[in-house]
Amino acid sequence: GAGVSQSPRYKVAKRGQDVALRCDPISGHVSLFWYQQALGQGPEFLTYFQNEAQLDKSGLPSDRFFAERPEGSVSTLKIQRTQQEDSAVYLCASSSRVSGGTDTQYFGPGTRLTVL
Amino acid sequence: AQKVTQAQTEISVVEKEDVTLDCVYETRDTTYYLFWYKQPPSGELVFLIRRNSFDEQNEISGRYSWNFQKSTSSFNFTITASQVVDSAVYFCALSVVTGNQFYFGTGTSLTVIP
Repeated sequence: GAGVSQSPRYKVAKRGQDVALRCDPISGHVSLFWYQQALGQGPEFLTYFQNEAQLDKSGLPSDRFFAERPEGSVSTLKIQRTQQEDSAVYLCASSSRVSGGTDTQYFGPGTRLTVL
Repeated sequence: AQKVTQAQTEISVVEKEDVTLDCVYETRDTTYYLFWYKQPPSGELVFLIRRNSFDEQNEISGRYSWNFQKSTSSFNFTITASQVVDSAVYFCALSVVTGNQFYFGTGTSLTVIP
């Protein structure tokens, strides 16, 4: 079956612009995660959804970052008034169970955001 | 707090050599899970293995093997007879039952030279 897909794969934004990044998880997966990966670093957790409920947003770096999953499937990560430090790869992952972070997570290809 | 350390930033080996990637973790939780992922140049993280804290048996899958030692808080990954296709960044990750996220190390970039 299809894996996790993300769009766009690449996004260039001017400083101050708003961006929206989309994630389509594996069909039927109840848990969805967003991570931020800076160049040369490991992914860092941003937020976690169980179905449509956002159960953990402790990793969101500022109130400019907002995520939603209104119907418990597709998720959107929105960044308002982008800054240069927001430049990174944004990874989405999904897992089949409601066990938070302990189940195997399957990752998408990521969206590489560059803020000029 | 949870932490994963991958001290090897970059490793280069000649094809057919064996190579071991080190992973050391820190957690106070007694129930936790350890993972290895491969990130090829395309960028997608590819799942390799998941191991829980109660299962210390080593595991072998083809040319890959994993050595889990709770006494040293390590979960090392060995590739036997390396191939050029093994060139990638490899990440070790930790999760705990009480949390909702993976904690990743900084990764080890492996280059296999033909």
